Amino acid sequence: TQLLKQSPQFLSIQEGENLTVYCNSSSVFSSLQWYRQEPGEGPVLLVTVVTGGEVKKLKRLTFQFGDARKDSSLHITAAQPGDTGLYLCAGDGDTGRRALTFGSGTRLQVQP
Amino acid sequence: NAGVTQTPKFRILKIGQSMTLQCTQDMNHNYMYWYRQDPGMGLKLIYYSVGAGITDKGEVPNGYNVSRSTTEDFPLRLELAAPSQTSVYFCASSYGFQGGSNQPQHFGDGTRLSIL
Repeated sequence: TQLLKQSPQFLSIQEGENLTVYCNSSSVFSSLQWYRQEPGEGPVLLVTVVTGGEVKKLKRLTFQFGDARKDSSLHITAAQPGDTGLYLCAGDGDTGRRALTFGSGTRLQVQP
Repeated sequence: NAGVTQTPKFRILKIGQSMTLQCTQDMNHNYMYWYRQDPGMGLKLIYYSVGAGITDKGEVPNGYNVSRSTTEDFPLRLELAAPSQTSVYFCASSYGFQGGSNQPQHFGDGTRLSIL
């Protein structure tokens, strides 16, 4: 079974601060997806990273896929209250399994 | 666009009762999934389907059943509800495994189920 561990589990910061969320595994993933889930709603895709070492930017969010494709990070610059939510990473294993493996999530709260 | 629609949004069941959670999608996705999300946790895969007539177990299938008679619908059935099945249930759909990787999933807004 491929496991994805996210850290930290919880993060409460002030508006304007920077933060990094990590998604780690001992397994190799062919691609990795990041989702954000707001209270009362389902997760929504933010980005997919495919190539080892790949960096993708989405406004103030920067996503990186590790060179070995076992880990990923999400960095938020100048966090805003609208960034509040549960951030989930989901890995696509090399086994060809036809479903994603989701991490346990990082719950972020940005205080105004 | 409706996307993925789940009904009901909320439900309270008594122990031992049965019910069906409905999920329908209008994106012509072949793949559909059922997850449960316990408070403060990530998603655990219950069952998934890669097309009409085909279903496979996920990580936590015990106590649940599914069927996939059409591309659009993927209902989840609880036969004998137990308190451990209190959770939020999410249905999702996607284009599945294409180009060597799993395509992004589109989620419904969930069904909040309490079993007392």
